[in-house]
Amino acid sequence: AQKITQTQPGMFVQEKEAVTLDCTYDTSDPSYGLFWYKQPSSGEMIFLIYQGSYDQQNATEGRYSLNFQKARKSANLVISASQLGDSAMYFCAMRETAGGSYIPTFGRGTSLIVHP
Amino acid sequence: SQTIHQWPATLVQPVGSPLSLECTVEGTSNPNLYWYRQAAGRGLQLLFYSVGIGQISSEVPQNLSASRPQDRQFILSSKKLLLSDSGFYLCAWRTSGRDRYEQYFGPGTRLTVT
Repeated sequence: AQKITQTQPGMFVQEKEAVTLDCTYDTSDPSYGLFWYKQPSSGEMIFLIYQGSYDQQNATEGRYSLNFQKARKSANLVISASQLGDSAMYFCAMRETAGGSYIPTFGRGTSLIVHP
Repeated sequence: SQTIHQWPATLVQPVGSPLSLECTVEGTSNPNLYWYRQAAGRGLQLLFYSVGIGQISSEVPQNLSASRPQDRQFILSSKKLLLSDSGFYLCAWRTSGRDRYEQYFGPGTRLTVT
């Protein structure tokens, strides 16, 4: 079974509007963390935001926020006030601590296109 | 500040030829280092990771190998490339501490095996 599922292969949003990118995860580890990365067409992966499983509040970083619903095992990324430069692939990832080694697992990604 | 370098940026190699991709990190010490491969339109596949000099863990058994000859240098190699080795190779690092978990990626190497 996939540990990270991103069901939206592609998303479109109008500039200045908000958009939500979905991510569900599967783990039995009580201590884990969830990440979102952005990959523009240049290819470099850029870290956006992190949420630990024990964090009480949803993580926010500027226009990015992570809507963490632990019971539903979802960690959706919300981008507010979309900009043309937000057009990119977005990857959800999870780290688990089972076994003591840190091996992140990535989803297949969602392509976001921001229209002017 | 920390920076990560990868080279070359692009590479076209014939089947059966050797490969050497290099990654170096500046501005940090004892980082955890990672090699990923990304096929077109796909997510990242972890190939190797290292928690210290000479310590390499392989996630995918194949004709690739990795080495860490220095603290901040990570090398991906192959003796004989296969067509299936084509892809986008990304090196990443993270701090070895347990209070920060995010990874920082290099610019990547686009490898085409012909």
